[in-house]
Amino acid sequence: DVKVTQSSRYLVKRTGEKVFLECVQDMDHENMFWYRQDPGLGLRLIYFSYDVKMKEKGDIPEGYSVSREKKERFSLILESASTNQTSMYLCASSLPLVRGKISLAKNIQYFGAGTRLSVL
Amino acid sequence: SQKIEQNSEALNIQEGKTATLTCNYTNYSPAYLQWYRQDPGRGPVFLLLIRENEKEKRKERLKVTFDTTLKQSLFHITASQPADSATYLCALGTSGTYKYIFGTGTRLKVLA
Repeated sequence: DVKVTQSSRYLVKRTGEKVFLECVQDMDHENMFWYRQDPGLGLRLIYFSYDVKMKEKGDIPEGYSVSREKKERFSLILESASTNQTSMYLCASSLPLVRGKISLAKNIQYFGAGTRLSVL
Repeated sequence: SQKIEQNSEALNIQEGKTATLTCNYTNYSPAYLQWYRQDPGRGPVFLLLIRENEKEKRKERLKVTFDTTLKQSLFHITASQPADSATYLCALGTSGTYKYIFGTGTRLKVLA
């Protein structure tokens, strides 16, 4: 079974703090994603990465950065936490669309359990 | 702009009945549509994927339909059980992209 592990289930931080959310997957997936989930807004993509050291902005990247130094680990960084970043953060991983000449075009995303972050 | 709509109100049904959840989209031409289940305080779990050239997909008590003319997917759970109570999310994706757009989800409650 694919396992995506997020380092914390609950976090409470102060405004202005630098916050690190860690995510590790054990299935050798190329793609990794960070979402936030808010009531009435659904899942919104913050950043995704399709390879080590590669990243692309999602729909709401402002106030966030990411780091992918190893294939299995994808970190989300809040440079200076603000109260409007209080949310549920979800990490996900998936296979690429193509590996070699083989289409893997299912793009099933495997999610972690989430980190509920409160910024006070 | 691209929009996905799922019924934001909770759906309550009696055990044993068929639950039908709806996912409508506009300004989007998805190649794939997925359904996920999410339990409170947990991450979504993949259930089914259906491609644009498929009308229907089944897996055990689950059935998904995809009508690209109506721009709608229906998700059915037959012989529903209290354990099926959860929030169900639809997600749309296009060819050649890693990105999916998720709906806000519909909360299903199956009453014993």
